[in-house]
Amino acid sequence: ETGVTQSPTHLIKTRGQQVTLRCSSQSGHNTVSWYQQALGQGPQFIFQYYREEENGRGNFPPRFSGLQFPNYSSELNVNALELDDSALYLCASSLANRDRGEQYFGPGTRLTVT
Amino acid sequence: EDKVVQSPLSLVVHEGDTVTLNCSYEVTNFRSLLWYKQEKKAPTFLFMLTSSGIEKKSGRLSSILDKKELSSILNITATQTGDSAIYLCAVEYGGSQGNLIFGKGTKLSVKP
Repeated sequence: ETGVTQSPTHLIKTRGQQVTLRCSSQSGHNTVSWYQQALGQGPQFIFQYYREEENGRGNFPPRFSGLQFPNYSSELNVNALELDDSALYLCASSLANRDRGEQYFGPGTRLTVT
Repeated sequence: EDKVVQSPLSLVVHEGDTVTLNCSYEVTNFRSLLWYKQEKKAPTFLFMLTSSGIEKKSGRLSSILDKKELSSILNITATQTGDSAIYLCAVEYGGSQGNLIFGKGTKLSVKP
């Protein structure tokens, strides 16, 4: 098991609502990336945070936003939920280093939008 | 458009068989290729490959990158039921930290 934790593990929301997912990175890691994994698909990159600033973003609309805190933990916020937002949301932490691409994933949050 | 394609999408073998999983990619500013194993939720890291032709090995698993062919293979010898999982290939691209683009994965089922 990695040292990356996520909460909650499961969540059910209604279309139009807002949700906040949380991630605590592995000790010593200063970079957090968020991914959305729909059923039967590989994870899709949402965005990455490094030193509390967004450091890259995938093809997701602005209603997906995030934060990183001084202790490197992170939040993913999704506004105006849509049915297609139902997915497993994974966060991954890593150490910013030109020579390393290893990211360590948390167990994910399963979001269901009804 | 950047993409990573894995094949086959699913595979059923018997214990003791050897399997080869394929990953091909088209990305700009390639940095590395990574393999992950996903059993339930969290993908777990297997290998990171940056140089062509150098095999990385861990027990019964091995992987190699071919930058000329823009591809990689993951081999599993003497498969066991515990190897049943989805194997994800991801390519790191971009700036100093890099972001990951994943393939859809290969679902491997190992029958006793």
